Amino acid sequence: GQQLNQSPQSMFIQEGEDVSMNCTSSSIFNTWLWYKQDPGEGPVLLIALYKAGELTSNGRLTAQFGITRKDSFLNISASIPSDVGIYFCAGQTGGNEKLTFGTGTRLTIIP
Amino acid sequence: EAGVAQSPRYKIIEKRQSVAFWCNPISGHATLYWYQQILGQGPKLLIQFQNNGVVDDSQLPKDRFSAERLKGVDSTLKIQPAKLEDSAVYLCASSLGLAGASEETQYFGPGTRLLVL
Repeated sequence: GQQLNQSPQSMFIQEGEDVSMNCTSSSIFNTWLWYKQDPGEGPVLLIALYKAGELTSNGRLTAQFGITRKDSFLNISASIPSDVGIYFCAGQTGGNEKLTFGTGTRLTIIP
Repeated sequence: EAGVAQSPRYKIIEKRQSVAFWCNPISGHATLYWYQQILGQGPKLLIQFQNNGVVDDSQLPKDRFSAERLKGVDSTLKIQPAKLEDSAVYLCASSLGLAGASEETQYFGPGTRLLVL
C-alpha cells in the first residue's frame, strides 16, 4: 500500500529550537492530519486540515494544507522536552475513510 | 470518556502458531479500524468496519488474517498461522462513523505488540 513521503526522517535539536517537517504525496487528499506517537502508545491527533491552503495552529504547532492537495507541513516553535516522539502525517480522501500515513519523523532533543 | 482499549499489550509466539487480538472502541463509535505498524513505518490499514459490516479489507492477507465485529461493538483480529514478517504493532482505531461526515477524528488504542519467533 501507499505511504506518504515524509522528511526529514529524523531530527536532533536543542530545546528551544524551532522544528519544521513536511509530507508529500503523489495523489490528492481532501484532508491532511498530523499525529504524534510516543513509545508504547498509539498515534494521537495534533492538527487536522480540511481545506487546501488552510493554515491552522494548535498552541506551538502550526500546520498547512498545500494548495495542490498533495503536501503539508508542520512547524513546532520553541521545542520542549515533551515534544520528543515520532510525528506522522496522514492523508484522507473522505471523512470516514482510511488514513494513509507518512513514513514518520523522529524528533530527539539534545540536552 | 474512556479511550480505545486493546488487549493483550504484548504477545510473543512462534511461527506457525495462531494469535488473536481484541479491541473495544470508544462507546458509540460506529467505525472501527485495524492498522498494522511495522517497526520504522507508519500504520497501514488492514480492515475497516462500519458497525458489523466490512467496508475495506483490500489490504488484509486473507489467507492468514481474519477479523470480525459480530455485534458491531468490539472486534477481534486473528492470525493463523503466524509468519516472522507479522511481527508488528497492531493498532485499533475508532471514529463516530456518521454518514456523509467530512470531518471525523480517528482515535487510536495503545496497540498490541506482536513478536513472532
